[in-house]
Amino acid sequence: KQEVTQIPAALSVPEGENLVLNCSFTDSAIYNLQWFRQDPGKGLTSLLLIQSSQREQTSGRLNASLDKSSGRSTLYIAASQPGDSATYLCAVDNAGNMLTFGGGTRLMVKP
Amino acid sequence: GAVVSQHPSRVICKSGTSVKIECRSLDFQATTMFWYRQFPKQSLMLMATSNEGSKATYEQGVEKDKFLINHASLTLSTLTVTSAHPEDSSFYICSARRGAGGQGEQFFGPGTRLTVL
Repeated sequence: KQEVTQIPAALSVPEGENLVLNCSFTDSAIYNLQWFRQDPGKGLTSLLLIQSSQREQTSGRLNASLDKSSGRSTLYIAASQPGDSATYLCAVDNAGNMLTFGGGTRLMVKP
Repeated sequence: GAVVSQHPSRVICKSGTSVKIECRSLDFQATTMFWYRQFPKQSLMLMATSNEGSKATYEQGVEKDKFLINHASLTLSTLTVTSAHPEDSSFYICSARRGAGGQGEQFFGPGTRLTVL
């Protein structure tokens, strides 16, 4: 059974810092891995999708990497802004049928 | 883009009533839709997988007679919470998979917040 862990569970940084969120998974036989953002009381916004054959994906200030063999992914946020404050979830699709979510990292960027 | 809508966005009901939540893929066909539940400060947990034209597959611990799922068309799946109780209060999110087979990206709806009094 796939297990997804996110570290840290919570993070508070001053505005402008670069930061890294970590995601690890136990079963490396995955189709893809997605990073999502969730604002309080809201649904999910997909940030980046990395296929199993890819090593990284970039969108604006966000960069996600994937190391399947070690079961790890990182989400790098450059020059963080208060508007980046949210919960970030990673999810792994390894059966072609369902996503397994990590517990999330609650990010607070202070002005 | 690929847009998934949910209706209603928020519902408050009395204990014992049934509530229906709709999930629609607006600009693509989805042979598979998924229903997730999220309790406060917790991550999403898959409840069931809904395939168009067939019975849903429920995850362990999810009562199929309580959470009725109907995937009647390629763009619509419904989740009915029957005889709702306060412990069913949660945030329900659906997703729809675009593309055939098991490798299409999932797109998520905005969620429905259910409060059972």
